[in-house]
Amino acid sequence: AQTVTQSQPEMSVQEAETVTLSCTYDTSESDYYLFWYKQPPSRQMILVIRQEAYKQQNATENRFSVNFQKAAKSFSLKISDSQLGDAAMYFCAYREGAGGTSYGKLTFGQGTILTVHP
Amino acid sequence: DAGVIQSPRHEVTEMGQEVTLRCKPISGHNSLFWYRQTMMRGLELLIYFNNNVPIDDSGMPEDRFSAKMPNASFSTLKIQPSEPRDSAVYFCASSRTSGGSTDTQYFGPGTRLTVL
Repeated sequence: AQTVTQSQPEMSVQEAETVTLSCTYDTSESDYYLFWYKQPPSRQMILVIRQEAYKQQNATENRFSVNFQKAAKSFSLKISDSQLGDAAMYFCAYREGAGGTSYGKLTFGQGTILTVHP
Repeated sequence: DAGVIQSPRHEVTEMGQEVTLRCKPISGHNSLFWYRQTMMRGLELLIYFNNNVPIDDSGMPEDRFSAKMPNASFSTLKIQPSEPRDSAVYFCASSRTSGGSTDTQYFGPGTRLTVL
């Protein structure tokens, strides 16, 4: 079974600085997708960024970028120029690709609480 | 375009009562997922529908839980009878699925259920 591990229960960063959140996963599949979701205090799950395993290029979305190391099964999230609104719980998630048996099921890590200090 | 809509946002009930959570997926999405979030177990998938048909309900904890999707724009998750250990935040998510490939899932705001 696929597992996703976030080894940092909590992280903190100063406003305008850069922070990196770690995520590792375990799978025997070659086709899959990885995601970072943000959950602010409102508890809404918001998609931050997505990475297809077949793409070598790391995904970026404005201030958010990932470091995808397929061989190491590592998928870290870098937040640049951190803002107070970035404070939230961040979840790493895995999903099999087409033809998998999990039918699109997302497997989540335990989450990392990010605090942003002004 | 409206996102995934869930109701109610908060539900407080007493043990033994029936609870019904509702979800309206994003228009045009044909896959719907129910997740539960607790401190102990994190986020876990309960059941998944594709084109209104339940595909995988292996995450449903026990027979007290049931889910239906009578049409493409509405789904319910029912707990009968409810127990204190069912207290959690329940999320509904939807996505497009075609050719066996599921697109990104978008989540509703969740329903916080408290069973006294």
